[in-house]
Amino acid sequence: DAGVTQSPTHLIKTRGQQVTLRCSPKSGHDTVSWYQQALGQGPQFIFQYYEEEERQRGNFPDRFSGHQFPNYSSELNVNALLLGDSALYLCASSLVLGTANTEAFFGQGTRLTVV
Amino acid sequence: DAKTTQPPSMDCAEGRAANLPCNHSTISGNEYVYWYRQIHSQGPQYIIHGLKNNETNEMASLIITEDRKSSTLILPHATLRDTAVYYCIVRFPSFSSGSARQLTFGSGTQLTVLP
Repeated sequence: DAGVTQSPTHLIKTRGQQVTLRCSPKSGHDTVSWYQQALGQGPQFIFQYYEEEERQRGNFPDRFSGHQFPNYSSELNVNALLLGDSALYLCASSLVLGTANTEAFFGQGTRLTVV
Repeated sequence: DAKTTQPPSMDCAEGRAANLPCNHSTISGNEYVYWYRQIHSQGPQYIIHGLKNNETNEMASLIITEDRKSSTLILPHATLRDTAVYYCIVRFPSFSSGSARQLTFGSGTQLTVLP
């Protein structure tokens, strides 16, 4: 049973560029969340997608956007990259059962470096 | 979501039990206690969660005090591979609760298992 897979694993971009990160959820999961983890800090919630809609958003600017596809996979897009966007980007998937979210399973992350 | 307080670091001898404490004095009645760990440069890994009863799985045991204001994660026989940052998180599981959709990570406890 495949877990959460993210691609690419590493990425180097230049300031001002745009980047797209991809996530395939764990088999059977329907909800995808994205987190940003700066060096030495805990992950920070960016947003969550369920039924192809953004359901909740953390304190991140509009430069961060996302999408969920019918097969539940998801993309995270970041426009106009800043040096401060350099971080490990984590995708987590879970399942909505009734009104509850099951526990989240994380991918290995994409290490983004902005130069 | 209720905030949590954890010691920044702990050491444990290999083969001994590791007991990681967490204070969550503002926890509300419907909030669960979740534990995740993050091994260096990997995505967080779900360990265990509970509401008010003690829980045990193949990875660990979770002991929640009767007043639910604190909990302890127990790794019964710590190995070198258990060296990681351990995060205690309190959240509502209900999808209908706006704050339930994200995991709010603090700084966690860096557990170092010594040979």
